[in-house]
Amino acid sequence: SQTIHQWPATLVQPVGSPLSLECTVEGTSNPNLYWYRQAAGRGLQLLFYSVGIGQISSEVPQNLSASRPQDRQFILSSKKLLLSDSGFYLCAWSGVGAHQPQHFGDGTRLSIL
Amino acid sequence: DAKTTQPPSMDCAEGRAANLPCNHSTISGNEYVYWYRQIHSQGPQYIIHGLKNNETNEMASLIITEDRKSSTLILPHATLRDTAVYYCIVRHTGFQKLVFGTGTRLLVSP
Repeated sequence: SQTIHQWPATLVQPVGSPLSLECTVEGTSNPNLYWYRQAAGRGLQLLFYSVGIGQISSEVPQNLSASRPQDRQFILSSKKLLLSDSGFYLCAWSGVGAHQPQHFGDGTRLSIL
Repeated sequence: DAKTTQPPSMDCAEGRAANLPCNHSTISGNEYVYWYRQIHSQGPQYIIHGLKNNETNEMASLIITEDRKSSTLILPHATLRDTAVYYCIVRHTGFQKLVFGTGTRLLVSP
């Protein structure tokens, strides 16, 4: 069966510091990969998605970037964190196919001080 | 993507069926209905999805009306662990993102 791993589960970072969140998927090949953010008390916002290695689409302009160095690895990065980057970051994967559901990881709760 | 409307909260007794409604009156022919739930501090969990036929899996059943303007998620025997926020989402097959609304907060009580 397929599994998705995100780490770390929680992270506290100072303003201006860099960020790297990693997500890996097991048990499937060539998945679509996604990064979402959920601000406190709000809905999920799609940040990036990828349909293949090195292919990244950005949904909203922001202080973050994403990379997909391997088929089942998706990384969310920032060079300098802002206070507004605080939130719950979720990675998700889906199979290839127009209506395949997305499956989410357990998320990383990021607090910026 | 079509907008969905769900009641903000519902209660259900443990062991009884939980029927969660969703209105999506502007749904188009290429849009699927997805249901997710989110337990506090966890990532959303996929439950079920469908286009126009009723669907059933090990977690739930999805009933979609013939005109596709509404649907109902049925948890046949609710347990305390089913307490969560349930989201009904309509997504076009050509779009990647899921748009989560405010959902229905289901409370299952003993």
